[in-house]
Amino acid sequence: NAGVTQTPKFRVLKTGQSMTLLCAQDMNHEYMYWYRQDPGMGLRLIHYSVGEGTTAKGEVPDGYNVSRLKKQNFLLGLESAAPSQTSVYFCASSYPLGSSGRTDTQYFGPGTRLTVL
Amino acid sequence: AQKITQTQPGMFVQEKEAVTLDCTYDTSDPSYGLFWYKQPSSGEMIFLIYQGSYDQQNATEGRYSLNFQKARKSANLVISASQLGDSAMYFCAMRDPGGDFGNEKLTFGTGTRLTIIP
Repeated sequence: NAGVTQTPKFRVLKTGQSMTLLCAQDMNHEYMYWYRQDPGMGLRLIHYSVGEGTTAKGEVPDGYNVSRLKKQNFLLGLESAAPSQTSVYFCASSYPLGSSGRTDTQYFGPGTRLTVL
Repeated sequence: AQKITQTQPGMFVQEKEAVTLDCTYDTSDPSYGLFWYKQPSSGEMIFLIYQGSYDQQNATEGRYSLNFQKARKSANLVISASQLGDSAMYFCAMRDPGGDFGNEKLTFGTGTRLTIIP
């Protein structure tokens, strides 16, 4: 059981380049999330999804886009990378609160370290 | 808006001693959840323990327990008999029941770096 996986693990981009981060989960979770972690700060929510085909903005959505075409996958895109997007990106997934017999604990992937030069 | 405060940026604790990591929160919503995560130097976020706002008893998971004081809005993590492998960053987080879809999001504190001394 792989849980939550993220690809790639590391990436270096030049300003203006684009890229897509892939998150996959095999726990049949309805909810998926993208966070970024910067030094001295906790994780901040970028975008999230409550189901296939549905996405919503989090706390810091500017400069990012997301798609949830399949329940198990959640993609995070950077159309034109900027140095301010240098960060560690975490994906997480969970069941909804109140799901019968289940908790809403979010389980995280291993993270992607992105550097934008 | 929901807010999580962790006032201890770093702590040093002797091995085998118990340690308490502080977390206070602010919310006007009566229904919320509190989580603790551990982030070792390898970087992954590991779920440790959960406390619901309506839970009557403090949560426990092995050597971890959550000292939940609802009136004071605090949710401190207690680690008993600390081990060298407990050295890591620890984050307190609160489930945010609001938002566009009325669904759950996590708000994180800034973390506490715990170092266990042999």
